[in-house]
Amino acid sequence: DTGVSQNPRHKITKRGQNVTFRCDPISEHNRLYWYRQTLGQGPEFLTYFQNEAQLEKSRLLSDRFSAERPKGSFSTLEIQRTEQGDSAMYLCASSSLTTSGRPYEQYFGPGTRLTVT
Amino acid sequence: GNSVTQMEGPVTLSEEAFLTINCTYTATGYPSLFWYVQYPGEGLQLLLKATKADDKGSNKGFEATYRKETTSFHLEKGSVQVSDSAVYFCALMDSSYKLIFGSGTRLLVRP
Repeated sequence: DTGVSQNPRHKITKRGQNVTFRCDPISEHNRLYWYRQTLGQGPEFLTYFQNEAQLEKSRLLSDRFSAERPKGSFSTLEIQRTEQGDSAMYLCASSSLTTSGRPYEQYFGPGTRLTVT
Repeated sequence: GNSVTQMEGPVTLSEEAFLTINCTYTATGYPSLFWYVQYPGEGLQLLLKATKADDKGSNKGFEATYRKETTSFHLEKGSVQVSDSAVYFCALMDSSYKLIFGSGTRLLVRP
């Protein structure tokens, strides 16, 4: 069990460019979550997947954001036409489901820090 | 809606001092409650949790008790160490199993 990994760890981009982040969850974890954390704040929920299905999206997730989890393994988060307000730490977490269908606690990756100049 | 409120930091203590970080929540029903810790340059780590009223979560000398009467989940430690310096986040798990976090409390422990 190698934990949740995220790539890249840091990304600097110019306003208007597209960026894509990757998250590899703990193997066999059914659920995968994306959160965003701005400086001095707690993480805010963006979206989550159960296997390959995206089940919920926050109103924070504008049309410029899209997430996928093909085959229920790794996930990607793409931001199109980046804006300076997108600068934040993007966190990924994964969890497994109990036999009763309730998720266990979430395990977080180290995050991808995005800076939009 | 669901929300979590934490005491503002930074909290500065001397080594071996007693720590309390206050956390209160607003939620429908009785959500599971968590404390996460974020050390400098690292990701969030689960510190402890409680899943029902009167449960006490504990780990590494830290404790928190789920109090439904006061809708609180305060974090305590009897004797802090320099290595406990970090940012601490209180969180609740809502009905769709996503986490709602407080804004975090920075703890600085001086030798």
